[in-house]
Amino acid sequence: RKEVEQDPGPFNVPEGATVAFNCTYSNSASQSFFWYRQDCRKEPKLLMSVYSSGNEDGRFTAQLNRASQYISLLIRDSKLSDSATYLCVVKTAGGYNKLIFGAGTRLAVHP
Amino acid sequence: SQTIHQWPATLVQPVGSPLSLECTVEGTSNPNLYWYRQAAGRGLQLLFYSVGIGQISSEVPQNLSASRPQDRQFILSSKKLLLSDSGFYLCAWSVASGGPRDPYFGPGTRLTVL
Repeated sequence: RKEVEQDPGPFNVPEGATVAFNCTYSNSASQSFFWYRQDCRKEPKLLMSVYSSGNEDGRFTAQLNRASQYISLLIRDSKLSDSATYLCVVKTAGGYNKLIFGAGTRLAVHP
Repeated sequence: SQTIHQWPATLVQPVGSPLSLECTVEGTSNPNLYWYRQAAGRGLQLLFYSVGIGQISSEVPQNLSASRPQDRQFILSSKKLLLSDSGFYLCAWSVASGGPRDPYFGPGTRLTVL
């Protein structure tokens, strides 16, 4: 079983749609969680951290369910510029930032 | 502000040839440094990390090696490339204690081994 699993997609949605990404992780000792965005042929960039109580940043909402070892990202009112691959990332406990990346879910927003 | 540089941006190498990819960081001291690889359609795999000069830890056994000759320089090498070494190589840095918004990635090197 992969340490971090995501639906590979692609998700094809029209502008204005709401889209949800799901992610599960296998290590119950994981301590921090993130969503990264990666544009085609570019490096990943941090989109948002995921907090236990859930958090929102504009059109983006992230949630964490530690009991189910499940993370989600919701994008409301999708824009063309949201088209990218969204990577679920889990940070393990330890003395350095060991980040485990999911394979990513590709999103294509069309007019 | 901090910046991270990687070169070259793209590279095409024959099987069996050597490899040297370089990464440098500006604007910070004593960062943690990382090499990741992303194969086509797959997630990022951590290859090496370093918490200081000359300190390298390997996550995955393979024919690659890493070195950190200076505080803000991280080098990925191979003596003989394999076809399976093709991929997108990303260098990253983070503050030593681990911040809430890092690590930060360099622009990457796209390596094709033929």
